[in-house]
Amino acid sequence: AQRVTQPEKLLSVFKGAPVELKCNYSYSGSPELFWYVQYSRQRLQLLLRHISRESIKGFTADLNKGETSFHLKKPFAQEEDSAMYYCALLTQGGSEKLVFGKGTKLTVNP
Amino acid sequence: EAGVVQSPRYKIIEKKQPVAFWCNPISGHNTLYWYLQNLGQGPELLIRYENEEAVDDSQLPKDRFSAERLKGVDSTLKIQPAELGDSAVYLCASSLALGTSGTDTQYFGPGTRLTVL
Repeated sequence: AQRVTQPEKLLSVFKGAPVELKCNYSYSGSPELFWYVQYSRQRLQLLLRHISRESIKGFTADLNKGETSFHLKKPFAQEEDSAMYYCALLTQGGSEKLVFGKGTKLTVNP
Repeated sequence: EAGVVQSPRYKIIEKKQPVAFWCNPISGHNTLYWYLQNLGQGPELLIRYENEEAVDDSQLPKDRFSAERLKGVDSTLKIQPAELGDSAVYLCASSLALGTSGTDTQYFGPGTRLTVL
């Protein structure tokens, strides 16, 4: 069965410190992974997807199939990065759907 | 562009009462999704529409939940009767893709927060 695990419910760092939000997945097919973000009082929105290999707002994420991980990283956290972050896996083959992790609440302290 | 519109934003009802949520997707988006988000959890898919066809409703509890997208545009999700455990946020999302949703972004609405007393 497909599953996304975000082991940290809460993560707190200081401004300027590096940040890494962990995501591990379980899926028998070829994974397509995403990070979604929800800022306070805003709607859930796509942050980045692994197939794009892009950096958004300084965040990057690399798919590691050997470790079945898709950790989100940023070298220097900013206060405006404080938000809920959800890792999601897209299942494929007839019944495509996004499977979300439980989310990690990131707080960047001044 | 208003994005995905949902109403109401908040709803408080007593158990055993019916409730309905409405969603208007982004113009031109063929695929529409309803998700359930319980407190402390990520969203979970309830049903996915491609135009007016429900192509995946395997996670929809059909004894009390129903959904429709009659003209392939806006959609309604209904619960009848509501139970205490239905208290959650109900999210609607839409994407442009038809049948190949893997590469298209899902855009989410603000959600409806339901409280069942």
